[in-house]
Amino acid sequence: GAGVSQTPSNKVTEKGKYVELRCDPISGHTALYWYRQSLGQGPEFLIYFQGTGAADDSGLPNDRFFAVRPEGSVSTLKIQRTERGDSAMYLCASSLRSNTEAFFGQGTRLTVV
Amino acid sequence: GDSVTQMEGPVTLSEEAFLTINCTYTATGYPSLFWYVQYPGEGLQLLLKATKADDKGSNKGFEATYRKETTSFHLEKGSVQVSDSAVYFCALSDRSRSNYQLIWGAGTKLIIKP
Repeated sequence: GAGVSQTPSNKVTEKGKYVELRCDPISGHTALYWYRQSLGQGPEFLIYFQGTGAADDSGLPNDRFFAVRPEGSVSTLKIQRTERGDSAMYLCASSLRSNTEAFFGQGTRLTVV
Repeated sequence: GDSVTQMEGPVTLSEEAFLTINCTYTATGYPSLFWYVQYPGEGLQLLLKATKADDKGSNKGFEATYRKETTSFHLEKGSVQVSDSAVYFCALSDRSRSNYQLIWGAGTKLIIKP
């Protein structure tokens, strides 16, 4: 596809479970970002990848959150021992380079019950 | 730290009305400023941007001017259409940060009535 693809579009999980959220960026884009958006708020930065490495993970709220991008393309955001407060829309964006326009996926809505 | 404040919504207007959505920012470096739009059921899309003071970004009839003296980037459109109904986000990217992350306002929901 031509755009950023995020799967699943919706995920409902029980408190304490582990979840993985996937992001397929636009082909050739080296920069990849994860953001979290709570209802009625703007997105908040979680982590930034340049290529395969996490260049800045300062936005991850705690050590239950982890993200990887092993081949410099697809990225997975992993959340361990989910809590109800993790419920939010998780957004992925990619850009050709870090200082060019970011293109967003439609997000994964995570609900922890 | 850097922040963005935009007017609360929802903003409800009639078709062909003039639109202003206010946005102000605080930044320690040299930010680029953006307006993103999120149509119902769709992802965030870049609407327009400005990278330095006095620049004007424009797209689809929308305009915003980077005002350093008032630290503002207000979004305007002369005549809105029902199809402009969406949530609008003001954001900044501080070029002194190496990761170019976007810092966002809370969003303003715009409702245009026919």
